[in-house]
Amino acid sequence: DAGVIQSPRHEVTEMGQEVTLRCKPISGHNSLFWYRQTMMRGLELLIYFNNNVPIDDSGMPEDRFSAKMPNASFSTLKIQPSEPRDSAVYFCASSGGNNQPQHFGDGTRLSIL
Amino acid sequence: AQSVTQPDIHITVSEGASLELRCNYSYGATPYLFWYVQSPGQGLQLLLKYFSGDTLVQGIKGFEAEFKRSQSSFNLRKPSVHWSDAAEYFCAAGSGGSYIPTFGRGTSLIVHP
Repeated sequence: DAGVIQSPRHEVTEMGQEVTLRCKPISGHNSLFWYRQTMMRGLELLIYFNNNVPIDDSGMPEDRFSAKMPNASFSTLKIQPSEPRDSAVYFCASSGGNNQPQHFGDGTRLSIL
Repeated sequence: AQSVTQPDIHITVSEGASLELRCNYSYGATPYLFWYVQSPGQGLQLLLKYFSGDTLVQGIKGFEAEFKRSQSSFNLRKPSVHWSDAAEYFCAAGSGGSYIPTFGRGTSLIVHP
């Protein structure tokens, strides 16, 4: 049974460039979460989707960040333009419903030069 | 406000020794509780979960956790630690009706040979 799949695993790009992170949740899960992890701030929730609809995006740091979930099997997190302070590990997680545990992907390590 | 506290940033134990990682929560009602482990370069993996019933919960990799309502705690234990247990451990809690758990800041476990 495939888990949450994220791509790319690593991304290195120059500041000002557009970055797109991708996520495929576990089939049948109706909730999807994007997190950012840094040493300084720990694990931060960026946005949460339920049944493909964004429910809570209060954690999205700036307008440079946007997320979409066009269907139940795919989501993207986009940063445009990217800045060095966006460097972090970005995780996608999915869950099967209310108070169910989250299943995490292996993350995308993003470095903005 | 709902919160999860992991008082220990780092814990160092010798291989073969017992382990207890602390987690305290602040919720109005009995929360749903989780422990996750994160190995370097990987996402968070669920170790165990507590929803209701028996307050001693068994998980994977030989871990267990005990829910103590009177102490608002959900400590993680293992009787004999292996070098491969060295990782970051996260406690998380959710309340009824919520899709979004609250994570603690994590405890880094170091295992000496």
